[in-house]
Parts: sequence; C-alpha cells; structure tokens
Amino acid sequence: LAKTTQPISMDSYEGQEVNITCSHNNIATNDYITWYQQFPSQGPRFIIQGYKTKVTNEVASLFIPADRKSSTLSLPRVSLSDTAVYYCLVGGNRDDKIIFGKGTRLHILP
Amino acid sequence: DAGVIQSPRHEVTEMGQEVTLRCKPISGHDYLFWYRQTMMRGLELLIYFNNNVPIDDSGMPEDRFSAKMPNASFSTLKIQPSEPRDSAVYFCASSFWGYEQYFGPGTRLTVT
Repeated sequence: LAKTTQPISMDSYEGQEVNITCSHNNIATNDYITWYQQFPSQGPRFIIQGYKTKVTNEVASLFIPADRKSSTLSLPRVSLSDTAVYYCLVGGNRDDKIIFGKGTRLHILP
Repeated sequence: DAGVIQSPRHEVTEMGQEVTLRCKPISGHDYLFWYRQTMMRGLELLIYFNNNVPIDDSGMPEDRFSAKMPNASFSTLKIQPSEPRDSAVYFCASSFWGYEQYFGPGTRLTVT
C-alpha cells in the first residue's frame, strides 16, 4: 500500500485557486489516487479520483504527472465554505488497507 | 437514496456500559466500513466487510469491540464494556469498491 505525504495545513484567500499536492513515491501500477474532503462535524466526502493525466469534475481537478509519484488537487476560485480537511489516498487492490492519514487542513480567509 | 444512515447521532454513557452503534449502508454497496475519529489519532479504520463478511478487523482496538453485519442493509458496532478512552466520533461508510466511499453523519460517543 502506497504511503502518502501531504502538507499539514494551507491558507488561501477567497477567489484564489488552491493546489494541494500529495506525494506517493511507491505507488503501484494498479493504484488509483482518491481525494476526500471533510468539513467539521461531518464525515469525509469523496471529491475526485484518477489514475493518470487529468480528471475534472464540478468540484475539482486532479492532475497526475506521467510518473504518478505525486498528484495535485486543484480547487478553482475557493470560497470560505471550502475550509476543510483534504485527504489523499492511494490504492486499488480491493483488499488494500485504507489509510486516511492526517490530511491537509485548508483554511480560506476572506 | 437517503445515503448512509447511522444511529444514534449522539450517545452519552457511563464507563462499563454496553454501547451499540448502528449503520444502514447505501443499497447495492458491497463494502461497509467502520471508522473512529479523534483529534489525537485522526480517522482510523476499525473493520470492513465485503458482502457481509468481515475482511479485515485488524484496526479493532481490543476485544471489547465487536462488529456484525447480519445482512446487506444493517451493521452494528458494539463496545462492551465501554471506557472513557472510547470517546470519539464513529463513522460508517459504504461503497461499491474500497476507494469511493460514502460516509454517514457519524455517531458522537461520550463515555464518562
């Protein structure tokens, strides 16, 4: 199971684009990269998942370079309501042990 | 679909009492997960089921914790006897496969 490393915290301002990078140097061939968002007093919410290149949905974009050893979650034009903890997970085998880690605490300032 | 349903939302109990947390997963999901979250330890996977069968319970802290899934639409997590250090938010999640999980609102457990 690939270990992930991401910044503990980040600050940004409303209207900015925020990029959170996750390192996963020992990612396996069949591993996917998945990001979750957790607001205070709520359970984590699935945001986006990808395998390679770029994935975009209505919430975020996920950029994955060719070597797949890192990934970047991009949140366009953030608002105060995007203040949350963001978790990067890597895995793909159905029997992988799922580890959320500490995540990145994103704080959006007015 | 109503999403993952957990009950109760809040539970306050005294040390030594039995606590039962309940979860109804999203219909059609094959996987069910139980997590515990505290400030100190973050979000920890306790146990997960695939097609009602426990697959990995290595995260269950000790024998006081047990989980069952008698059918595809119901699971319980039981703590007996409860201790103050069990105080946490317990989440249930379900999915078609492991990495796109849908979480319930959680049960906030306080053991005094």
